[in-house]
Parts: sequence; structure tokens; C-alpha cells
Amino acid sequence: GNSVTQMEGPVTLSEEAFLTINCTYTATGYPSLFWYVQYPGEGLQLLLKATKADDKGSNKGFEATYRKETTSFHLEKGSVQVSDSAVYFCASIQDTGRRALTFGSGTRLQVQP
Amino acid sequence: NAGVTQTPKFRVLKTGQSMTLLCAQDMNHEYMYWYRQDPGMGLRLIHYSVGEGTTAKGEVPDGYNVSRLKKQNFLLGLESAAPSQTSVYFCASSYGLVKYFGPGTRLTVT
Repeated sequence: GNSVTQMEGPVTLSEEAFLTINCTYTATGYPSLFWYVQYPGEGLQLLLKATKADDKGSNKGFEATYRKETTSFHLEKGSVQVSDSAVYFCASIQDTGRRALTFGSGTRLQVQP
Repeated sequence: NAGVTQTPKFRVLKTGQSMTLLCAQDMNHEYMYWYRQDPGMGLRLIHYSVGEGTTAKGEVPDGYNVSRLKKQNFLLGLESAAPSQTSVYFCASSYGLVKYFGPGTRLTVT
């Protein structure tokens, strides 16, 4: 089956630092890939997505590129803010029948002023 | 447009008690899902529905039942709660690939 692995947290950065959260996937085909963000006390929100190889998803200064060769979808941001503090989940959809997300374990990001 | 709402927000149960969690969406989505979130494990799929009157098992269905009698509602039932079901439960709905999540229900079973 398919699975998603992402780096363990917490990740603690100073404001304006560069962020990378690693995510790799295993799949029998070419899944669609997503990053979701969960702010404290809230549900998950879609941050960005990519549906085919070499696609780049971007939103709110975050970017991730679908790399088929390395089966990766790493999340990056050039300059983080305190308001980016949250838990970030990498996820995939392979089964287009049920369209259910398979999640990584989540990475907590803490940005200090 | 409220999106996806969940009732209740918090609940404490004793072992063996039963309860129903309600998920409602006003976006006319066909697909709905129940996930549980446990520390260090991400979200895991309990049950899902691809349309009114249909339900199917996900990865961790044991101890749960669901019903989708109306398109806008997806109910998750615990017939006999166990401490292992202490978790945060999220409902989601979708039309295409993008999921819209509710705010979650925090359930504690003592």
C-alpha cells in the first residue's frame, strides 16, 4: 500500500529563518500529494497540492515540488513568521475510488520572535 | 456557509458507554470521512462514505459504526467505548481531491 514519511519534530526556528520539512512517499503509481496545516485548536486546512510529477504547489510563501525520481514532496518557505507556528502534515491520495488521504505523522513547527 | 461542523466539541465517557458523533456539511459534497488523530501517528481513516446511503471501512474501523442517511450528515458511533478510543476525531468532506475538515471532537474514555 501507500505510505507517507515526514521528518520528526518539533522544528524550532527563529523568525525569518528558512524552513524545510522533508516528506517522502511510497506508492505503486503516481499519487496526488498534499500539505495540510493544523493551527492550535483547529482542524486541518489545505496548504498546497501537486497532482503530477514536477508540479510545484505554492501558497502563502510555502512551496513544494513533486519529485518522482526521489519520491519526495518537501515543504519549503524562505522566511518564516511566528504566525506559521503549527503542525504540518504531508499526505497522499492514491486510490482515486475512495479518494482518502494517507497522512504522515505530522511535524510541529515553532517559530520564535 | 458553515463548511464542516462537528458535534460535540468535547466529551468524556466511561468505559462501556456509547455515543454518537455528528458531522454536518453544507457544501453538497458526495464524499465524507471520519479520521482519528493520535500523537505521533498523523490521522488514520476510520470509515468513509462515497454518497448518501453508502459507507465503507477504512484502516481502523474496529469498535466504530457509521451511517449516512442524509447526504449532508455522517454519523460516527461508538457502541461500547474503550480507553483505546481516546483520541481527537475529525470529519472531512470532499468533492474532488481537496478535503475540508471540521474542527474536531476531543473524546476521552476513562
